[in-house]
Amino acid sequence: NAGVTQTPKFRVLKTGQSMTLLCAQDMNHEYMYWYRQDPGMGLRLIHYSVGEGTTAKGEVPDGYNVSRLKKQNFLLGLESAAPSQTSVYFCASSYYRTYTSTDTQYFGPGTRLTVL
Amino acid sequence: KNEVEQSPQNLTAQEGEFITINCSYSVGISALHWLQQHPGGGIVSLFMLSSGKKKHGRLIATINIQEKHSSLHITASHPRDSAVYICAVNRGSTLGRLYFGRGTQLTVWP
Repeated sequence: NAGVTQTPKFRVLKTGQSMTLLCAQDMNHEYMYWYRQDPGMGLRLIHYSVGEGTTAKGEVPDGYNVSRLKKQNFLLGLESAAPSQTSVYFCASSYYRTYTSTDTQYFGPGTRLTVL
Repeated sequence: KNEVEQSPQNLTAQEGEFITINCSYSVGISALHWLQQHPGGGIVSLFMLSSGKKKHGRLIATINIQEKHSSLHITASHPRDSAVYICAVNRGSTLGRLYFGRGTQLTVWP
């Protein structure tokens, strides 16, 4: 049981390049999330998904796109990278509990992205 | 203003001391989470609570819904407890989304 995995762990891009970050979970979770973490700021939600084939915008969605074609995978794309997207990106997943509408989130190890 | 405020921002302690980290929030919530971020960057969930108190080993989390406040306590602190502790809240109707505090950096010296 690998939990939540992220690929790649590190990446350096030049301004204007594109890339896709892959998140995979083997816990059969309905919900998946992409966050970014910047120094001095809390984790901020980029996009999330409440099930296969669904996606929704979070707090800071501009410049990112996502897809959830399979329940276990959640992809985050940067079409034209900018230096402001230099950050550490975390993926997370969770069950949905109807009585609390929340459950423990399980986080991936993170991807450190630098855009030059 | 951030909806979730943590204090202190930084905390230094000697091994064995009792540690308290505070979290205040300004919105209605369905649950509050405490997470730990290791020096290597990994994030793990410690507690999810919607009322009362939970205990796991040397860690205790409490929440007071009326006062919109939660505390994380560490008894008999140890250098391996050194990490960033993050408070996050779920606002009930927001489909599992969490809103995070900025974290408390704890350093425990031997």
